[in-house]
Amino acid sequence: SSELTQDPAVSVALGQTVRITCQGDSLRSYYATWYQQKPGQAPVLVIYGKNNRPSGIPDRFSGSSSGNTASLTITGAQAEDEADYYCHSRDSSANHVLFGGGTKLTVL
Amino acid sequence: QVQLQESGPRLVKPSETLSLSCTVSGGSISSHYWTWIRQPPEKGLEWIGNIYYDGSTNYNPDLKSRVTISVDTSKNQFSLNLRSVTAADTAVYYCAREVRLRGVIDLYYFDYWGQGTLVTVSS
Repeated sequence: SSELTQDPAVSVALGQTVRITCQGDSLRSYYATWYQQKPGQAPVLVIYGKNNRPSGIPDRFSGSSSGNTASLTITGAQAEDEADYYCHSRDSSANHVLFGGGTKLTVL
Repeated sequence: QVQLQESGPRLVKPSETLSLSCTVSGGSISSHYWTWIRQPPEKGLEWIGNIYYDGSTNYNPDLKSRVTISVDTSKNQFSLNLRSVTAADTAVYYCAREVRLRGVIDLYYFDYWGQGTLVTVSS
């Protein structure tokens, strides 16, 4: 399969924990990478590899994976976490890039 | 700090060629892979293709027949040409740097992005 599937929208109460998922056969072979995109801005890398955060990304963001599903977890969501989140991986040939359709996170 | 900056016409006529360049500063283009990604208004991200400094390329199969990506290492710049455009090609176009790390499980991620440029296809 050459697709990554994300829920279109998820909401979380301020300070609570939310999990955003990404499903696809390629995730059995490759880690998902996660990006945060706020309106009018370029995407920002938040999680790569098994569970790595670039410098400047708060430790409330974490990543995990099981089978064909990758998850981005925000523990103690903040108002500034309201954004679109995209997962990214490779197809089975590793030559082509896949993006999930994106999940719009609303912090209530 | 690596920075990427897209440049090129913001308005392209249908059936013509969309041409963009991405200038890399703060680092050499002669490492990593360099990528074009686009995002139609109110839609998700779509990978267009990438290039290595040696000129080797990979393209999205859905766009392959219309896309050429090239690199100019002397200018620390890479470029996108998308031919025979239609209104469906209207999008914000991003350039980005792709990191590839070989290991037990290979890692791939985009760590630096340009700010993006909106290109509109209209007569």
